[in-house]
Amino acid sequence: NAGVTQTPKFQVLKTGQSMTLQCAQDMNHEYMSWYRQDPGMGLRLIHYSVGAGITDQGEVPNGYNVSRSTTEDFPLRLLSAAPSQTSVYFCASSSISGVGGPQHFGDGTRLSIL
Amino acid sequence: AQTVTQSQPEMSVQEAETVTLSCTYDTSESDYYLFWYKQPPSRQMILVIRQEAYKQQNATENRFSVNFQKAAKSFSLKISDSQLGDAAMYFCAYRITQGGSEKLVFGKGTKLTVNP
Repeated sequence: NAGVTQTPKFQVLKTGQSMTLQCAQDMNHEYMSWYRQDPGMGLRLIHYSVGAGITDQGEVPNGYNVSRSTTEDFPLRLLSAAPSQTSVYFCASSSISGVGGPQHFGDGTRLSIL
Repeated sequence: AQTVTQSQPEMSVQEAETVTLSCTYDTSESDYYLFWYKQPPSRQMILVIRQEAYKQQNATENRFSVNFQKAAKSFSLKISDSQLGDAAMYFCAYRITQGGSEKLVFGKGTKLTVNP
């Protein structure tokens, strides 16, 4: 049982490039979400999904797109990378949104934008 | 504004002793969940303990327990018999659901050092 798998673990981009961070879970969880973690800021919610075909914005959605075509996958897209998006990104999942919130996190992706 | 405040950026404790990490939050909602997460140097986010706001009984998970004071909007984490492996960043968070949307708010974290 792999849990929540994020790829890649590290990435360096140039300003203006696009990229997709991958997130997959094998626990059949309905709820998935993306966070960014900046020094001294804790985690902030970017986007979340309560099931296939349903997504919504979190606290800091600008510059990011998501889609949820399957229960297992929830990719995060940076359309035109900016230095302000340099951060560590976490994907998380849980069984039912209304029950308990994110309980399983991936190992994170460290993204640097030059 | 909905916020979570962890007033102790850093804490230290001697091995085998007890430490309490503070957390206060601000929300006008009556139904929400509260969490403590642990983030060791490996960067993993690990759920330590969870509390439903409608439950008066404080949650407990082995050596970890909380003191939930709903009226005061306080949610502290007590770690008993501290172990070297408890050294990590600890994040307090709360989650509310409003009209089908969801908000999850984290504090800025407390770095816990465990001294042998």
